[in-house]
Amino acid sequence: KAGVTQTPRYLIKTRGQQVTLSCSPISGHRSVSWYQQTPGQGLQFLFEYFSETQRNKGNFPGRFSGRQFSNSRSEMNVSTLELGDSALYLCASSLSGYQETQYFGPGTRLLVL
Amino acid sequence: DQQVKQNSPSLSVQEGRISILNCDYTNSMFDYFLWYKKYPAEGPTFLISISSIKDKNEDGRFTVFLNKSAKHLSLHIVPSQPGDSAVYFCAASVRNSGGSNYKLTFGKGTLLTVNP
Repeated sequence: KAGVTQTPRYLIKTRGQQVTLSCSPISGHRSVSWYQQTPGQGLQFLFEYFSETQRNKGNFPGRFSGRQFSNSRSEMNVSTLELGDSALYLCASSLSGYQETQYFGPGTRLLVL
Repeated sequence: DQQVKQNSPSLSVQEGRISILNCDYTNSMFDYFLWYKKYPAEGPTFLISISSIKDKNEDGRFTVFLNKSAKHLSLHIVPSQPGDSAVYFCAASVRNSGGSNYKLTFGKGTLLTVNP
């Protein structure tokens, strides 16, 4: 089975711009979660989608949003980028999200200048 | 408030010896625990997990121990190999009463270096 794929792998943006990241889960997986990794804060949960619905949300501002499509692919959007949004954004998928292992993609490295 | 803590930022061991990585948690509602390994520029790779109904789980060279009363878990790697050198993350989750919500709370990681 193919693993979780994320595009693009690297991205450079400037403050104030917006960005959209994409995640394709493992085939058959319906739960997709997003995490932000920074050196200071470690891995922090952003949100989780299941069957096109956001089920869980972490403590991030409303500039961070996401959606999931009927084929379980997910996108994450960050509007009005700030320097502090520079991070590795990781997507993880699991079958249904209930006490199952989450499998991570390689991440998208975002640099905000 | 950090609910999952890995107090050792780094650990160095000799090849062939045992590596013990530790993790403490504060939320008594956590009932599922996982360890992930991460290489630079890659996503975390799942290693091993344990449910709160168990106190030990083994998979090859990897064993996870859970002490619920102390809110402590540990990952043992025996024998350690140079290829095990990576950052190891401990993660925990809470089973929602509805059984459908799931998010992982991660520790900040421990960098393991296995010297040949």
